[in-house]
Amino acid sequence: GEDVEQSLFLSVREGDSSVINCTYTDSSSTYLYWYKQEPGAGLQLLTYIFSNMDMKQDQRLTVLLNKKDKHLSLRIADTQTGDSAIYFCAETKGGSYIPTFGRGTSLIVHP
Amino acid sequence: DSGVTQTPKHLITATGQRVTLRCSPRSGDLSVYWYQQSLDQGLQFLIQYYNGEERAKGNILERFSAQQFPDLHSELNLSSLELGDSALYFCASSPRTSGSDYNEQFFGPGTRLTVL
Repeated sequence: GEDVEQSLFLSVREGDSSVINCTYTDSSSTYLYWYKQEPGAGLQLLTYIFSNMDMKQDQRLTVLLNKKDKHLSLRIADTQTGDSAIYFCAETKGGSYIPTFGRGTSLIVHP
Repeated sequence: DSGVTQTPKHLITATGQRVTLRCSPRSGDLSVYWYQQSLDQGLQFLIQYYNGEERAKGNILERFSAQQFPDLHSELNLSSLELGDSALYFCASSPRTSGSDYNEQFFGPGTRLTVL
């Protein structure tokens, strides 16, 4: 299997919460990241979490990390149409600072 | 705007040809990374340069090569192109030097390569 796995699509209604999930295989992951890619643009870092943390909140974004299950999630509260994009989970691990990216989850927000 | 620029935005060429993609990193960033994004492979790391020297290599084909110049801009050369090389090619830069696994990368808008 792949090192970092994500579901490919998520569809939500405007105003609802979105939860994008990611699983990773390497327990030596030190930092986990969420990047956003809007149409026609490159990836942009949204937030990250260090592996000794369980949760990180940044305005509408909440990152949850379950190290035991190697599961990372990104919750977007009050999802807006402008949040429609592809969201990539990534990790860096001890001894390797080159991020490994998941395939990305396409978030579609409909009215 | 990430501060990373890439040219050209689009490139259409034929099989067997050679192309050069160009990237200028954010001001002050010494590291440049090249990625290939395709529907079937996702985002694949190709190669990294740091201050003019090759630092890390990923899934880069032998037909591909890169370099980083003294002014820190980088070029990715793709030769003997095949249909399967059609993809989005991203350049990213980062301020990371050493001593930490934390590596925030700033991505350019990409070059879309179509091989016919």
